[in-house]
Amino acid sequence: EVQLVESGGGLVQPGGSLRLSCAASGFTFSNYAMSWVRQAPGKGLEWVSALSGSSAGTYFADSVKGRFTISRDNSKNTLYLQMNSLRAEDTAVYYCAKGWLTLHTFDHWGQGTLVTVSS
Amino acid sequence: SYELTQPPSVSVSPGQTASITCSGDKLGVKYSCWYQQKPGQSPVLVIYQDTKRPSGIPERFSGSNSGNTATLTISGTQAMDEADYYCQAWDSSTYVVFGGGTKLTVL
Repeated sequence: EVQLVESGGGLVQPGGSLRLSCAASGFTFSNYAMSWVRQAPGKGLEWVSALSGSSAGTYFADSVKGRFTISRDNSKNTLYLQMNSLRAEDTAVYYCAKGWLTLHTFDHWGQGTLVTVSS
Repeated sequence: SYELTQPPSVSVSPGQTASITCSGDKLGVKYSCWYQQKPGQSPVLVIYQDTKRPSGIPERFSGSNSGNTATLTISGTQAMDEADYYCQAWDSSTYVVFGGGTKLTVL
């Protein structure tokens, strides 16, 4: 059974940093692209970043480019999102999602971790 | 940047057919997919590559995509189908794009 478990969320001040993790199990992690998708309170889904299975390809939404980095450790079956220079508008539940067939078709999602940026 | 537009809300009576549209420039030449999200839950993929259903998704869910519009159709809508629905596509410059979401109410 595929499982994706996010961690690392919490309260951080504007301008601060946070690193999210997504622990994967139930599939060959290195074979699949992974993404982060966020959802602000009461709002819709917003894709944040994606990373190919081999880490050769990285993609970012314009809203986070230059502030967030995505990485993975295939030996630990873990995806990361390093978030720097955080802003109030980054407040959201952050989901990790597994790519399937293509980088951008998400067949499994984690339960999400809440990031709150506030002073 | 590429954008996908959905109606904010759609209402349907139980047993009837619900249609949710998603509009984008030349969307028909891109693959679209649809996600269902119920309150407090993570999204679930219900349609991929325009028309295909993942295993476990009921046959009453179907999709189409042509021209500038993708459509999610739910036939014989049930109360359990009440949820938010998001379309999504890939654009070569914007990468992964979600529509704004449609709240489906079954009443």
